[in-house]
Amino acid sequence: DVVMTQSPLSLPVTLGQPASISCRSSQSLVLGDGNTYLNWFQQRPGQSPRRLIYKVSNRDSGVPDRFSGSGSGTDFTLKISRVEAEDVGVYYCMQGRHYPYTFGQGTKLEIK
Amino acid sequence: EVQLVESGGGLVQPGGSLRLSCAASGFTFSSYWMHWVRQPPGKGLVWVSRINTDGSTTTDADSVRGRFTISRDNAKNTLYLQMSSLRAEDAAVYFCVRGGETIYGEFDYWGQGTLVTVSS
Repeated sequence: DVVMTQSPLSLPVTLGQPASISCRSSQSLVLGDGNTYLNWFQQRPGQSPRRLIYKVSNRDSGVPDRFSGSGSGTDFTLKISRVEAEDVGVYYCMQGRHYPYTFGQGTKLEIK
Repeated sequence: EVQLVESGGGLVQPGGSLRLSCAASGFTFSSYWMHWVRQPPGKGLVWVSRINTDGSTTTDADSVRGRFTISRDNAKNTLYLQMSSLRAEDAAVYFCVRGGETIYGEFDYWGQGTLVTVSS
């Protein structure tokens, strides 16, 4: 199975400051057509996961532009330019390229 | 608006069975792969099972193969997960998730989840 490794697992951030989460896959996630099936999800307390970013860097509709995704191959990053109170929750990366699909362990973002 | 509404969760004894349902609306259900993902209490997300658009192809995670069966009824816009021989480690919130129009995991919409508790 493809292992998705996130860091850090805990991320205390001051309001208005930037935040960054790293995700590394144990195998390349690139398809022959150039697509890379790497998603980022946000799970707020008590809620279902919500997709924020798909195919590495594409923001979903309604997602604030302070969220951005980048990376290639096996190394990926989710960045929040200025953390707001509503961003508290757990963030997961997930690969949809190889069977079985796998998620990172989750990064818990909290406000300092 | 895309909606996925799960039902059927509850308390079941070890070795018992349960069938989860997911009612889909707001999109052409028959055009999308569908998935089940679970989340044990206080833990992370784990993919469980997938089914292609017409229901002819299914794949399960090793941990549930032979015990869980995913299926769909495109006429009713409903996804199912038949769970049998349930174990304590199957206890989780089960999410119905829309995949893409291809086999690759896009997971763009999630239901609210239904809780399965396995205990005697």
